[in-house]
Amino acid sequence: SQQGEEDPQALSIQEGENATMNCSYKTSINNLQWYRQNSGRGLVHLILIRSNEREKHSGRLRVTLDTSKKSSSLLITASRAADTASYFCATQRGTGGYQKVTFGTGTKLQVIP
Amino acid sequence: DVKVTQSSRYLVKRTGEKVFLECVQDMDHENMFWYRQDPGLGLRLIYFSYDVKMKEKGDIPEGYSVSREKKERFSLILESASTNQTSMYLCASRRDRVGETQYFGPGTRLLVL
Repeated sequence: SQQGEEDPQALSIQEGENATMNCSYKTSINNLQWYRQNSGRGLVHLILIRSNEREKHSGRLRVTLDTSKKSSSLLITASRAADTASYFCATQRGTGGYQKVTFGTGTKLQVIP
Repeated sequence: DVKVTQSSRYLVKRTGEKVFLECVQDMDHENMFWYRQDPGLGLRLIYFSYDVKMKEKGDIPEGYSVSREKKERFSLILESASTNQTSMYLCASRRDRVGETQYFGPGTRLLVL
């Protein structure tokens, strides 16, 4: 399996509900990032959590990181139809020089109005 | 805001044609990246560039080459397009080697017939 795997692959919820997506990875990391991709478009950076952090918030987004389990979760609270998109985690690792970034395969979220 | 632009949103080419995909960023970023995105496979790194005239192979460089003659511009070249190169191509830039956020262009959807 790949570094950075999200689950579920697809998620469908009603507007106003919370959406939780998970990401697992295999090797130690410097940070983990979440990106959003609207259909047919480029990725947009949402939030970054460093390896020495456990939780981070940004607006309706909450990210947790458990380095002992090598996993992260992204929670979107009070979802809106505009949150419909694919969400990718990306792990950054390496020391000095070039820090390699690896993207997961994504979770496709549908928020039904 | 960082802006990353790609020369085409959609391209249709024939097998054997030479294809150029252009990417331009306006924030004086050192690093630039080319990914391809295929369903179920997420984003896979083709090539990246640390700086002008510098290039490094990513995870799937076969069948591709790149050029970075100016800092703001990173070109992906398909020397002889094949049908298995039909994909979504995404360009990204990052401040430097240890920078964290990648900024993506809107993508080019390439169809090779």
